[in-house]
Amino acid sequence: DGGITQSPKYLFRKEGQNVTLSCEQNLNHDAMYWYRQDPGQGLRLIYYSQIVNDFQKGDIAEGYSVSREKKESFPLTVTSAQKNPTAFYLCASNVGRNQPQHFGDGTRLSIL
Amino acid sequence: KNEVEQSPQNLTAQEGEFITINCSYSVGISALHWLQQHPGGGIVSLFMLSSGKKKHGRLIATINIQEKHSSLHITASHPRDSAVYICAVNSGGSNYKLTFGKGTLLTVNP
Repeated sequence: DGGITQSPKYLFRKEGQNVTLSCEQNLNHDAMYWYRQDPGQGLRLIYYSQIVNDFQKGDIAEGYSVSREKKESFPLTVTSAQKNPTAFYLCASNVGRNQPQHFGDGTRLSIL
Repeated sequence: KNEVEQSPQNLTAQEGEFITINCSYSVGISALHWLQQHPGGGIVSLFMLSSGKKKHGRLIATINIQEKHSSLHITASHPRDSAVYICAVNSGGSNYKLTFGKGTLLTVNP
């Protein structure tokens, strides 16, 4: 079955540590997205990628980095510069502009 | 003021009731989306609208472009409909980026 796989489901970060969240899709979608969800707030866009080897900053990119070396993969690194990383992170993909997005099941990141 | 406002924030209903969730937006849009988020966190896309009305099973979504307003209706509600319902828009500047409302938490009691 086609879909988006995020791993791990739960992740713990120590102070000063970088962590990488995985997102893989087998839907053959060109566009991929990373969102952050905090309690009581709407989802906010961190980064998005329209095609392989290209990505753009979203509304809250500071403290995060991404790569898009393969069409099916869009990993997100939460760097030590992100001072408040505790949140629920969602990855999504779609075929292109103005199309429904398919979401993964999310990764919950917490500080140790 | 958020670009996308949903009401109500929380809604409790009895099984079988007709439910309406509202979404208002303040920007020009190319499309509006309704999403469902279950307690585990995963999100499912329910509808994408640019005009008129769409129906899928017991769910109906409408949009009024002139009034910048959309509604999601659930007929004959069931406890399994309990979830957070999220409205999101593709605003005019980018057809890729979505702007999200804060969501409406729906609880349907048996």
